[in-house]
Amino acid sequence: AQKVTQAQTEISVVEKEDVTLDCVYETRDTTYYLFWYKQPPSGELVFLIRRNSFDEQNEISGRYSWNFQKSTSSFNFTITASQVVDSAVYFCALSDLIFLRGSQGNLIFGKGTKLSVKP
Amino acid sequence: DGGITQSPKYLFRKEGQNVTLSCEQNLNHDAMYWYRQDPGQGLRLIYYSQIVNDFQKGDIAEGYSVSREKKESFPLTVTSAQKNPTAFYLCASNPRADVTGELFFGEGSRLTVL
Repeated sequence: AQKVTQAQTEISVVEKEDVTLDCVYETRDTTYYLFWYKQPPSGELVFLIRRNSFDEQNEISGRYSWNFQKSTSSFNFTITASQVVDSAVYFCALSDLIFLRGSQGNLIFGKGTKLSVKP
Repeated sequence: DGGITQSPKYLFRKEGQNVTLSCEQNLNHDAMYWYRQDPGQGLRLIYYSQIVNDFQKGDIAEGYSVSREKKESFPLTVTSAQKNPTAFYLCASNPRADVTGELFFGEGSRLTVL
């Protein structure tokens, strides 16, 4: 069965610290996608990144970076020089590749990590 | 601006009453989804629709119903059969009919059963 584990329930850091959010996944599929979403206090989830299982290159976007390692089934997210605006709940999610209409398309979400960045 | 609009933002309901949550999108997306979020939990899929007049049950469909009569609308009814309806409900859409694409979310509806 597919599963996403975010072992860190809450993390608190002081502004400008670096912080890494862990994500470990389980799947029997060889083709899959991994996602990170941010949920600010307003409630809506905001897409951050999508990664397919064939692309293990790390990615950097400004202060955000992602480390995908198939060998350890992990897709960790690092925020460099954190800011108060980074305070949110962050979700890691996993999907398999759905080709046929009518198949159950689903994202499996982790339980989220609540990040608090204090000034 | 394009996006997803959910209403109402907050809703209170007495036990035994049905309630309908609205979700409208003007993104021209094919697929729409309803998720339920409980405190400290991830999102769980209630129903999804990949095309007009077609929808599929998700992992926790019992006690819920949906319709997809128009591409832009996907209302969710929480029926009295739902044993524990107090939760935060999120609607999402996807330009693709599968879940390999980015999901766009609304701001959610918080339902409290009194």
